[in-house]
Amino acid sequence: GNSVTQMEGPVTLSEEAFLTINCTYTATGYPSLFWYVQYPGEGLQLLLKATKADDKGSNKGFEATYRKETTSFHLEKGSVQVSDSAVYFCALNPGGGNKLTFGTGTQLKVEL
Amino acid sequence: DVKVTQSSRYLVKRTGEKVFLECVQDMDHENMFWYRQDPGLGLRLIYFSYDVKMKEKGDIPEGYSVSREKKERFSLILESASTNQTSMYLCASSWTVDYGYTFGSGTRLTVV
Repeated sequence: GNSVTQMEGPVTLSEEAFLTINCTYTATGYPSLFWYVQYPGEGLQLLLKATKADDKGSNKGFEATYRKETTSFHLEKGSVQVSDSAVYFCALNPGGGNKLTFGTGTQLKVEL
Repeated sequence: DVKVTQSSRYLVKRTGEKVFLECVQDMDHENMFWYRQDPGLGLRLIYFSYDVKMKEKGDIPEGYSVSREKKERFSLILESASTNQTSMYLCASSWTVDYGYTFGSGTRLTVV
């Protein structure tokens, strides 16, 4: 079946540190991959996406590259801010429909 | 600003009660979804709908039903609430998945 595995959190970083949140997936076919972010007290928001191998999605300083050979879609940011504190979800759509399969989420805490 | 509105932010219900969670979107989206979010389990799909009066089971439909009589409204029904249905419930809507889902802010349901 289709599944997404994320690194467990919480991840605690100092402001301006480099961020990596790992995400690997299992899927048949050629999935599209997504990162969603959930700020405290809010619903999820689409952060970035990539629809085919070697695509790089980017938004708000965050990046992720669709690596088919390693079945990965790791989220990175060069310099995090306190305002980036949130829960980050990796997700996939296996293709041929509109359902998303989400990972368990990784909480990021950024401290001054 | 486009949005998905969930009728209640917090609900407390008794075991055995019939519970209705309402979701309304103003974007003319065809697809609507109900997820539950639990710590360590991420988001799990309960039901989704791709058109008025159409519905499909997600990964965990047991104990739930849905209703979609109008395009903008998607209701989740707990026929007889149980304590293991205590959770955060998230509604989402979308055109196609590659445009991203728009989520509501969630309803935190406690069954006592």
